Amino acid sequence: AQTVTQSQPEMSVQEAETVTLSCTYDTSESDYYLFWYKQPPSRQMILVIRQEAYKQQNATENRFSVNFQKAAKSFSLKISDSQLGDAAMYFCAYRRSSNTGKLIFGQGTTLQVKP
Amino acid sequence: DAMVIQNPRYQVTQFGKPVTLSCSQTLNHNVMYWYQQKSSQAPKLLFHYYDKDFNNEADTPDNFQSRRPNTSFCFLDIRSPGLGDAAMYLCATSWGPQGLNYGYTFGSGTRLTVV
Repeated sequence: AQTVTQSQPEMSVQEAETVTLSCTYDTSESDYYLFWYKQPPSRQMILVIRQEAYKQQNATENRFSVNFQKAAKSFSLKISDSQLGDAAMYFCAYRRSSNTGKLIFGQGTTLQVKP
Repeated sequence: DAMVIQNPRYQVTQFGKPVTLSCSQTLNHNVMYWYQQKSSQAPKLLFHYYDKDFNNEADTPDNFQSRRPNTSFCFLDIRSPGLGDAAMYLCATSWGPQGLNYGYTFGSGTRLTVV
């Protein structure tokens, strides 16, 4: 069975600085998708960034980028120029390539942004 | 805007009294998911519908049921809520198989309190 591990329950960063959230996963499949979701307190979970396993190039979305290491099964999220609005719980998620492809979440990392 | 809507946002129910949570979507996605998320934990998949096909997770208690009368609506029924069922319940949708790489669209969730 696939598993996703986020080893950092909590992280903090100074406003305007850069922070990296770690994620590792375990799978025997070669084709899959990886995601980072952001869940602000009492608010909707939204997609931050996604990565297709067959792509070697790391995904980027404005201030958010990933470091995808397929052989090491690592998928970290880098947030540059951190803003107060980035404070949230971040979930790393794995999805196999299948018809329904259910998301498997990590335990989450709570990010605090200090002004 | 196309979206996933969950009602109510907050639900208080009595111990053992049946309760129904609802989810609607305007995205015309063919896959709908129900997740249970307890405080500061990862969302846990309860079941999903792929079109009209119901798929239950092996460890989902029998106390939880679901209905999907049409593409737009999906309901979560908890037949006899216990104190341990207090959680946030998240509905999500996805387009399968073509939209696998786009992840899910989540609703805002329903926070269930059992008294």
